[in-house]
Formats: sequence, C-alpha cells, structure tokens
Amino acid sequence: DGGITQSPKYLFRKEGQNVTLSCEQNLNHDAMYWYRQDPGQGLRLIYYSQIVNDFQKGDIAEGYSVSREKKESFPLTVTSAQKNPTAFYLCASSADGANYGYTFGSGTRLTVV
Amino acid sequence: AQTVTQSQPEMSVQEAETVTLSCTYDTSENNYYLFWYKQPPSRQMILVIRQEAYKQQNATENRFSVNFQKAAKSFSLKISDSQLGDTAMYFCASQSGATNKLIFGTGTLLAVQP
Repeated sequence: DGGITQSPKYLFRKEGQNVTLSCEQNLNHDAMYWYRQDPGQGLRLIYYSQIVNDFQKGDIAEGYSVSREKKESFPLTVTSAQKNPTAFYLCASSADGANYGYTFGSGTRLTVV
Repeated sequence: AQTVTQSQPEMSVQEAETVTLSCTYDTSENNYYLFWYKQPPSRQMILVIRQEAYKQQNATENRFSVNFQKAAKSFSLKISDSQLGDTAMYFCASQSGATNKLIFGTGTLLAVQP
C-alpha cells in the first residue's frame, strides 16, 4: 500500500542533542512537508520541499534543518538551537501541482528530557 | 499571506444530531482551495472534504457538507447524523493555488455524546 511512514513514533532527546525524524513516502509525490503541532496552535509549517535537492523555510524554521536527497525521503533534524522542541511532528506529501490536500504520516512525538 | 481562523476551541453534540463548525479565512489569491481535516485520538490526519474556491456549489461527502461563502471568506462544516466516531479535532485549512502551501486553523475539538 502507498503511504507515508514516519519513524520513530516516540522519541526522547536530552537537552543539547540533535535528533533526526524520518519521513519516507512511496506515493511518487514531488512535494513534502514538515509540520509541528502544539496544543491550541494547530499545525505550523516548518519546512517544505517541492522537488529533490530543493527546500524552503516555512513559518517556524528556526532550530530545524532538512535535506531532500531522494524523492522518497525528507528527514527533519531538530537541533539544539530549537528552544522548545517537545511537540508532535507531522510529515506530509502532495503531488506536484495538485490541490487535493496532503497525505499525512502518523506522526512522531518528540519529548525533551 | 493566508490565515485561517477557527473561533470555537471545543464543541459538543448529541449522537444523531447535527453540528456546524465555523471557519473563516483570509487570502489575497484568487486561486485557492479549502479543506476540512479530521484528527481522531490516533492523531492521524484524515481529509474530510475539499472545496475549490472557483466553484460556487458547496461540496458534500455523505454526512459532511460545507457552507462556502466566498465574499464573507467563510467555510463552515456541517456534520449531519453525528456518530460517536466523529469525535475528533477538526482543522480547517486553506491551500494556495500558487505555492501549494497548506495553512491550518487552530482546530475545534468536537465531542459526540451518546
């Protein structure tokens, strides 16, 4: 079945450490996105990529980094510069030029301990 | 810039009744799309319904329908014959036709009571 796989489901990080969240899709979608979800704030866009080897900052990119070396993969690194990284992170993808909304992964819950 | 506003943080409805969730948006674009997503306790985002801004006809999907008022920039979701499985967070979202970026509101937590 086609879909988006995020791993791990739960992740714990010590303060000062970088951590990478995985996002893989087999939908042959060109565009991929990372959102952060906090209670009462909805989903906020961190980074997005519309094509391999290219990506743009979203509304809250500070403290995060991404890469897009393969069409199927769009990993997100939460760096030590992110002051409040505890959140639920959602990855999504969409077909280029299509406006049918996004397909979402099941999310990763990151907790800083 | 696009913005989406959901002014009802929480709502409750009795099983089999009808409920309407409100959403307003703002955009300077003429080409855009509007969505309602459902996020149940599993936290999986599920597309409920989609509306193309250039279409006047309101979208419907089984028990779900929208009231799209383009001039007022309003996009409400009506759920008929509410079921216990409708209990979830509902997000309204606006997608730019130019950039494909999807911007979300803050969500409405809907509880369906037996």
